Amino acid sequence: NAGVTQTPKFQVLKTGQSMTLQCAQDMNHNSMYWYRQDPGMGLRLIYYSASEGTTDKGEVPNGYNVSRLNKREFSLRLESAAPSQTSVYFCASSSGVLSNQPQHFGDGTRLSIL
Amino acid sequence: AQTVTQSQPEMSVQEAETVTLSCTYDTSESDYYLFWYKQPPSRQMILVIRQEAYKQQNATENRFSVNFQKAAKSFSLKISDSQLGDAAMYFCAYEMDSSYKLIFGSGTRLLVRP
Repeated sequence: NAGVTQTPKFQVLKTGQSMTLQCAQDMNHNSMYWYRQDPGMGLRLIYYSASEGTTDKGEVPNGYNVSRLNKREFSLRLESAAPSQTSVYFCASSSGVLSNQPQHFGDGTRLSIL
Repeated sequence: AQTVTQSQPEMSVQEAETVTLSCTYDTSESDYYLFWYKQPPSRQMILVIRQEAYKQQNATENRFSVNFQKAAKSFSLKISDSQLGDAAMYFCAYEMDSSYKLIFGSGTRLLVRP
């Protein structure tokens, strides 16, 4: 059982390049999330999708766009990468609102922007 | 705005002993949920335990238990009979009732001495 799969696991970009991080879940979950984790900090929510066809901003959405392609897939795009976006990115999913259902996380993508 | 504070950047415990990790939060809401997540070196985020604010009884999951003090806005995690596999980063997180947004603390690194 794969759970939440993120690709790629590592990526190095140059400033100004674009990049799409992919996330797929096989648990038939309704909700999906993108977080970033910086050194010495907890995860911060970038965007989330409560259900297929909807997306909403989280705590730190600037510089990112998302697409909920279908129920399984939720991608995160950096249109013009900046060094401040160097971070570890986590995708997560849940079957509903967090209070009722826990989130399941992927293994993360380590992104470095030079 | 809701905030979550973990004031212990690092804690150390002898194998088989008990350790308590601290977490405080700030909210004006009355209904919310609190979580402890574990992040081992593999980077995977694993839910350890969850507490509903409306429940007076402290949550327990095997060797993990919480001390939830609603009036003091405190949510500590107690790990009994510590094992080498418990070594990880531990994050406290808050979710307002029926929202999709988790707010994480900065984490506590737990070291387990053999």
